[in-house]
Amino acid sequence: ETGVTQTPRHLVMGMTNKKSLKCEQHLGHNAMYWYKQSAKKPLELMFVYNFKEQTENNSVPSRFSPECPNSSHLFLHLHTLQPEDSALYLCASSHEYRVLAGGGETQYFGPGTRLLVL
Amino acid sequence: QKEVEQDPGPLSVPEGAIVSLNCTYSNSAFQYFMWYRQYSRKGPELLMYTYSSGNKEDGRFTAQVDKSSKYISLFIRDSQPSDSATYLCAMSEGGTGNQFYFGTGTSLTVIP
Repeated sequence: ETGVTQTPRHLVMGMTNKKSLKCEQHLGHNAMYWYKQSAKKPLELMFVYNFKEQTENNSVPSRFSPECPNSSHLFLHLHTLQPEDSALYLCASSHEYRVLAGGGETQYFGPGTRLLVL
Repeated sequence: QKEVEQDPGPLSVPEGAIVSLNCTYSNSAFQYFMWYRQYSRKGPELLMYTYSSGNKEDGRFTAQVDKSSKYISLFIRDSQPSDSATYLCAMSEGGTGNQFYFGTGTSLTVIP
């Protein structure tokens, strides 16, 4: 296992529901990420938190709301989602939010939450 | 235009074959190139990491970067059924606050 856990692993929700995805990392990392993975599309970076501060929001609709209460936990709050939001949501962590020649900023991914919006 | 292009496959090869997986990109500022392997129902895991041009070898895996052609490759020698997975390329300009750009992934099946 990578040291990054995600719950729930599967989620089915209606368009009017509110739910939350949870990610926890046990690696002592300072950066955490939410990605969306859809079939036949590249991984899309949604949000980045570096030292608990949100540093990236890649034009994500407001129906997705991230929360990072501490450097080990990351949440993605979902409300009034659309069917096209159905995808695999991946959480990742790294030591810090940067990429270095030494490769020390490897991102470790969790297993993902498979979300289906009806 | 997509930042990174990758043939989604699927690719099916017999056990023992040499596999070649490729990505092209448009951003000449990319300096860091990665290959991730993703098994079914799992998150991606880093397989190879290369900085700038050249080759890097790790066991049966070789990563190759040709910056002049904006083309990267992953070769798998003596492929095994356990190599069956989706392979994602990713790249970045590097530095603080620099995100990765991923390909769509190539699905590989190695037939025993």
